[in-house]
Amino acid sequence: SAVISQKPSRDICQRGTSLTIQCQVDSQVTMMFWYRQQPGQSLTLIATANQGSEATYESGFVIDKFPISRPNLTFSTLTVSNMSPEDSSIYLCSVEVGYGNEQFFGPGTRLTVL
Amino acid sequence: SQQGEEDPQALSIQEGENATMNCSYKTSINNLQWYRQNSGRGLVHLILIRSNEREKHSGRLRVTLDTSKKSSSLLITASRAADTASYFCATDASGGSNYKLTFGKGTLLTVNP
Repeated sequence: SAVISQKPSRDICQRGTSLTIQCQVDSQVTMMFWYRQQPGQSLTLIATANQGSEATYESGFVIDKFPISRPNLTFSTLTVSNMSPEDSSIYLCSVEVGYGNEQFFGPGTRLTVL
Repeated sequence: SQQGEEDPQALSIQEGENATMNCSYKTSINNLQWYRQNSGRGLVHLILIRSNEREKHSGRLRVTLDTSKKSSSLLITASRAADTASYFCATDASGGSNYKLTFGKGTLLTVNP
């Protein structure tokens, strides 16, 4: 398994501002993922972040809105840009560890946009 | 298409009873994973079952997989109040980008003391 931390754990932001969420893993991993969980909903993959290459975004998500950095094998950031109330969600990072595609998740960042 | 749809959407049982949750999916998979989420917090990985496995156990958890029916079940035996949480199944599609997980909508389990 992996120990994953996220910062901040929660935040309340104003419309039009941006928030950067950090994800730190206790071991080197190739693949990191960012998910969004809207209120009362399930998880949706935003993008896959591999070290040394640009993130790969899923349909409905664009780099201008959700820029991602992956400077090394233990760290990634997701920025939610020009926020609106519709961006209020829990944002979770995950990593794939070991053989067999097990994915482990961080504790999430609960974002509220006013 | 929607992968990993759980049923029931909500389940309420008494402590000590068993809880069974089901998950259906539509396309071929490599693996199916079950997760638990407490009160909108992070997801806790419970168990992964591969497409060539039919049953797997971990403590009080028993997971079955029927690839012919494209379904899986999660059984929690002797439930405890601490098992109260939402449970999600997640599948990865065989072939191509098999690391991408598609989550179902989840089952909210309430275990009453």
